[in-house]
Amino acid sequence: AQKITQTQPGMFVQEKEAVTLDCTYDTSDQSYGLFWYKQPSSGEMIFLIYQGSYDEQNATEGRYSLNFQKARKSANLVISASQLGDSAMYFCAMRFSGGYQKVTFGIGTKLQVIP
Amino acid sequence: NAGVTQTPKFQVLKTGQSMTLQCAQDMNHNSMYWYRQDPGMGLRLIYYSASEGTTDKGEVPNGYNVSRLNKREFSLRLESAAPSQTSVYFCASSRTTGMGGTDTQYFGPGTRLTVL
Repeated sequence: AQKITQTQPGMFVQEKEAVTLDCTYDTSDQSYGLFWYKQPSSGEMIFLIYQGSYDEQNATEGRYSLNFQKARKSANLVISASQLGDSAMYFCAMRFSGGYQKVTFGIGTKLQVIP
Repeated sequence: NAGVTQTPKFQVLKTGQSMTLQCAQDMNHNSMYWYRQDPGMGLRLIYYSASEGTTDKGEVPNGYNVSRLNKREFSLRLESAAPSQTSVYFCASSRTTGMGGTDTQYFGPGTRLTVL
């Protein structure tokens, strides 16, 4: 069964510091996609970054980068130079080729940026 | 470009009442989805529509029905609301149900539903 695990219920980071949010996944598929979403207190789900299982380079989008370690089945999100507006819930998600093409979400990590 | 829009934003129902949540997207996406979000459980897929004219059950379809009205619109109906359906409901859309980055799902703002 496909599964996403986020083991950090809550994280604190000092403003301007970097932070890593952990995500591990379990799948027997060779082809899959990994996503990170941000959910601020206002409630909307904002897409941040995508990594394909066959992508050799780690994905980057501005201050976000995805530390993809395929052998360890981990897809950690790194946020550099944290800002107060980064305070939010962060969800790791995976899309796999089997089943009905749904996206499986982790339970999220709550990040709080301290001034 | 509004992206994905949902109405209403908030709703309170009594047990047994019915209602329809509306969703529309203007990104010319083929695939649309309904999720529910409950504390500590992430998002769970209720129904999805891979393309216009098709709908399929997700992992928690009981108590819900959907209609893919056209390419833009995908509605979720609760025929007889129950307190267990109190949740935040998200609609999402993607280009297709493919695996690539261009098939990323984009979400609407959500509907907060309370069933008393």
